[in-house]
Amino acid sequence: DVKVTQSSRYLVKRTGEKVFLECVQDMDHENMFWYRQDPGLGLRLIYFSYDVKMKEKGDIPEGYSVSREKKERFSLILESASTNQTSMYLCASSWGEPIRYTFGSGTRLTVV
Amino acid sequence: KNQVEQSPQSLIILEGKNCTLQCNYTVSPFSNLRWYKQDTGRGPVSLTIMTFSENTKSNGRYTATLDADTKQSSLHITASQLSDSASYICVVTETGANNLFFGTGTRLTVIP
Repeated sequence: DVKVTQSSRYLVKRTGEKVFLECVQDMDHENMFWYRQDPGLGLRLIYFSYDVKMKEKGDIPEGYSVSREKKERFSLILESASTNQTSMYLCASSWGEPIRYTFGSGTRLTVV
Repeated sequence: KNQVEQSPQSLIILEGKNCTLQCNYTVSPFSNLRWYKQDTGRGPVSLTIMTFSENTKSNGRYTATLDADTKQSSLHITASQLSDSASYICVVTETGANNLFFGTGTRLTVIP
């Protein structure tokens, strides 16, 4: 089974801090994604990456950046955390045809 | 505008009863539709995936149907169990793209 691992289940950070959310997949997938999930809004795509060092903006990239230095790891960076970035963050990777997605367990980030 | 709408927003049923969740979409061109189960504080887990040519797919007590003409899908849960309590999310993919369109989910609570 594909495994997507997010390093933290819960994080509490202060406003203005730089925050790193890490995601690792163990199946050599090329495509990886970062979503945030908020009540009533569903999942929204922040960034995705289709190869090492390649990245594309999703629907809501403002306030975020990403890093993909190795194929298995896709990091989401909050340059200066703000309270409106309090959310559940989900990482995913995809493979196959039709494309299949596996999600990580999520990181619940609270910015105070 | 590509959209995915789910109903009801929330549902409470007695253990052992059946229920049906609805998903309507306007995504075009359509590639496939998935249903995910998301336990509280966890990432979504895939239940079923259906392409244009499939109109029903089962996974244990979960049966998904798809009517690509009317752009509707349903997820039927038979003989519900307490462990079925979760959010169920409908996700539609565009043909030729890696774009996922997420519904906001139905929150199902199964009570004893």
